[in-house]
Amino acid sequence: SQKIEQNSEALNIQEGKTATLTCNYTNYSPAYLQWYRQDPGRGPVFLLLIRENEKEKRKERLKVTFDTTLKQSLFHITASQPADSATYLCALEKDGNKLVFGAGTILRVKS
Amino acid sequence: EAQVTQNPRYLITVTGKKLTVTCSQNMNHEYMSWYRQDPGLGLRQIYYSMNVEVTDKGDVPEGYKVSRKEKRNFPLILESPSPNQTSLYFCASSLRYGQGAFREQFFGPGTRLTVL
Repeated sequence: SQKIEQNSEALNIQEGKTATLTCNYTNYSPAYLQWYRQDPGRGPVFLLLIRENEKEKRKERLKVTFDTTLKQSLFHITASQPADSATYLCALEKDGNKLVFGAGTILRVKS
Repeated sequence: EAQVTQNPRYLITVTGKKLTVTCSQNMNHEYMSWYRQDPGLGLRQIYYSMNVEVTDKGDVPEGYKVSRKEKRNFPLILESPSPNQTSLYFCASSLRYGQGAFREQFFGPGTRLTVL
């Protein structure tokens, strides 16, 4: 069956450290993958998109990698800040017309 | 301001009473979609629309209807709501470029629905 798995346990890290979140998928062949941020009670906000032929994408303190052999994407936030605390969702393209989301990982950055 | 709006934001209703959740976007996006979000399950797509008069089922369409008569609006209709449709609902829109590739999705603020 098709699955998208993100760490169900919250990730707690100290301010200034690098946060690394994982998105693993099974039985999908996505042409691209997206990462979103969601704050409590609000809609998700787009962060980054990476295509299957791209190994790495960066935007300011954010970095995403996409390994189609391992079927995994890693999302890094460097020099993390308490304001980065949120739930982070990965989403895969499916069948050309749909986005399928993982359940998300809660990130807590402590000062 | 570019945005997706949803109404109502909160709704408590009873089983079987028809309701409509409206969604509107002002970005001239072709693609619109409805999701529901439940704890531990993430966002699941209910229906999507590639353009006016073109709609298709997502992964969890049972018990829902949609229509796309205008590009900016994409209402979600629950003809006979049941308690298992209690959830947080999000509307989203995006541009598309080429075949099969999305730009980012813009999400509305969400509608929290409770069916008693």
